[in-house]
Amino acid sequence: SQQGEEDPQALSIQEGENATMNCSYKTSINNLQWYRQNSGRGLVHLILIRSNEREKHSGRLRVTLDTSKKSSSLLITASRAADTASYFCATDPTGGSYIPTFGRGTSLIVHP
Amino acid sequence: EAGVTQSPTHLIKTRGQQATLRCSPISGHTSVYWYQQALGLGLQFLLWYDEGEERNRGNFPPRFSGRQFPNYSSELNVNALELEDSALYLCASSYASGGNEQFFGPGTRLTVL
Repeated sequence: SQQGEEDPQALSIQEGENATMNCSYKTSINNLQWYRQNSGRGLVHLILIRSNEREKHSGRLRVTLDTSKKSSSLLITASRAADTASYFCATDPTGGSYIPTFGRGTSLIVHP
Repeated sequence: EAGVTQSPTHLIKTRGQQATLRCSPISGHTSVYWYQQALGLGLQFLLWYDEGEERNRGNFPPRFSGRQFPNYSSELNVNALELEDSALYLCASSYASGGNEQFFGPGTRLTVL
């Protein structure tokens, strides 16, 4: 099964609203990353949060990490139609042998 | 600075044929990763190359193989193509091995008929 699992699978909101998506994982990690993918193209890196960090901000993005619950959340504030995309979390598991694992993604639709 | 490039953009093959996909990383990046993204699914890790060596591979059969050249570009080969190999194949590169931010190319859409 996937290491990272995003929730919800799909999210539909109006422009200006906030969007929150969650990621759960199974094993200990070195870091967790969030990516965005537009229309089946390549992914764009959004933010990386290390296992010793609890919260990180980048523009309208806020990421939290709770290693005790093995979960992370991505908050997009004041969403725009251009934020419409799929969002993936990726974990870097501890243990040395790096195998990046991505979830199935959250599909976000922002209506103008 | 040029991003990660992949070629071809689209590739149509028939069952049993072989496909070769190419990737050029960002200048200075030594690690290259390959992923398969079937329609509606997440990314499945295929292969990771660093400094010309295969560092790890995902849960794929041996007919998926590749290599990394001295200039750090990479090639993914898929032999004996099957219908279920139809997917978007994404290549990514990073500065150093494992766990760092990955920069993705636009992908190669492989269709197996």
